[in-house]
Amino acid sequence: ILNVEQSPQSLHVQEGDSTNFTCGFPSSNFYALHWYRWETAKSPEALFVMTLNGDEKKKGRISATLNTKEGYSYLYIKGSQPEDSATYLCAFNAANAGGTSYGKLTFGQGTILTVHP
Amino acid sequence: DTGVSQDPRHKITKRGQNVTFRCDPISEHNRLYWYRQTLGQGPEFLTYFQNEAQLEKSRLLSDRFSAERPKGSFSTLEIQRTEQGDSAMYLCASSLERMIDSPLHFGNGTRLTVT
Repeated sequence: ILNVEQSPQSLHVQEGDSTNFTCGFPSSNFYALHWYRWETAKSPEALFVMTLNGDEKKKGRISATLNTKEGYSYLYIKGSQPEDSATYLCAFNAANAGGTSYGKLTFGQGTILTVHP
Repeated sequence: DTGVSQDPRHKITKRGQNVTFRCDPISEHNRLYWYRQTLGQGPEFLTYFQNEAQLEKSRLLSDRFSAERPKGSFSTLEIQRTEQGDSAMYLCASSLERMIDSPLHFGNGTRLTVT
């Protein structure tokens, strides 16, 4: 059973604060690491799919880094806004023996972010 | 691209009844996934299809759960003899398997309550 751990479980910040969360995943058989944002009453929405060690991706005020050798990814939000309030999920996609995607994603339990005005 | 749609949005059923959920993926997506999410947990993998073939089913899944994807289009998830522990949000997602960086596209989910 693959273990994907996210921390912290929840986070309360003030509007304008910058924040970051961690996703830990197995350091072997890496294929891809996904980040999703899940707002209340909506469907999870993809933020990033990261595939290369050392990769950094950015989307507006949100960015992510990836370290496949040590098995972690960070998600950063700069200048948090109330509309950033959501659950942030990471998901690990393992490689099979042939080096291609095993198929399923294993999700962490999520980090619940609340941004107070 | 009309997105992934799931039906119904909510289902309340009595323990012991059978329920069936439907998922319509994005039309060109060849992979379709079912996940289950309970409070405080991340989505838990149930099963996935590539076209019409069911490639994997979670070992944690009881025999009361079955999924189909006839003709590689829409999918149904059936739960027989529901139990209170089946109460959860059931999420469907689809993706394009050919691309290494293809994300999952999720539907809004079906919330099941077993009384």
